[in-house]
Amino acid sequence: QQQVKQSPQSLIVQKGGIPIINCAYENTAFDYFPWYQQFPGKGPALLIAIRPDVSEKKEGRFTISFNKSAKQFSLHIMDSQPGDSATYFCAASGHGGFKTIFGAGTRLFVKA
Amino acid sequence: NAGVTQTPKFQVLKTGQSMTLQCAQDMNHNSMYWYRQDPGMGLRLIYYSASEGTTDKGEVPNGYNVSRLNKREFSLRLESAAPSQTSVYFCASTKYRDRVREQYFGPGTRLTVT
Repeated sequence: QQQVKQSPQSLIVQKGGIPIINCAYENTAFDYFPWYQQFPGKGPALLIAIRPDVSEKKEGRFTISFNKSAKQFSLHIMDSQPGDSATYFCAASGHGGFKTIFGAGTRLFVKA
Repeated sequence: NAGVTQTPKFQVLKTGQSMTLQCAQDMNHNSMYWYRQDPGMGLRLIYYSASEGTTDKGEVPNGYNVSRLNKREFSLRLESAAPSQTSVYFCASTKYRDRVREQYFGPGTRLTVT
């Protein structure tokens, strides 16, 4: 199965809250799990990525949690800010890396 | 460095018309991709080119053709546009560095087929 299932479709949080976006995959051949951030009218840009040999990765206010046995991973945004309002995509790719499969996206709105 | 550039930014076509979307990258990346983005569907891969001289179908190739003109340029052609091809099209290239695979996306082309 090549799908990556992402939830929720949309999310509204107050400034300072911790939005959490979840993704699940089926294909155990995937070995690289990036998150992309997209602002309106722009192309997506790489935010943070993780490999299955670690369970957590932090970069600034962004954290990926990875559960290999459950085939799930999630993005947490600490102390969220209005400037974090964007669409977030999880993704997965396998050996060779030529194809990346994207989730359906989550539209995040952070209220001031 | 301009990164990944796409032309045009916007296009309106009538059903049955043809057009070519142009993409170029100046980062010396080997791999290039064409995606379409539709509401609630994420990014779906149309075609990709792992290296100059090769192209392969992605998830949704029907109705499209591609040409990898050289290492920098990768074009997407719609031979006979259909309303179902109304979408935002993104070109991307991939950088492989250490254990990171980073896709760099262009600004997109908004295509409407009437």
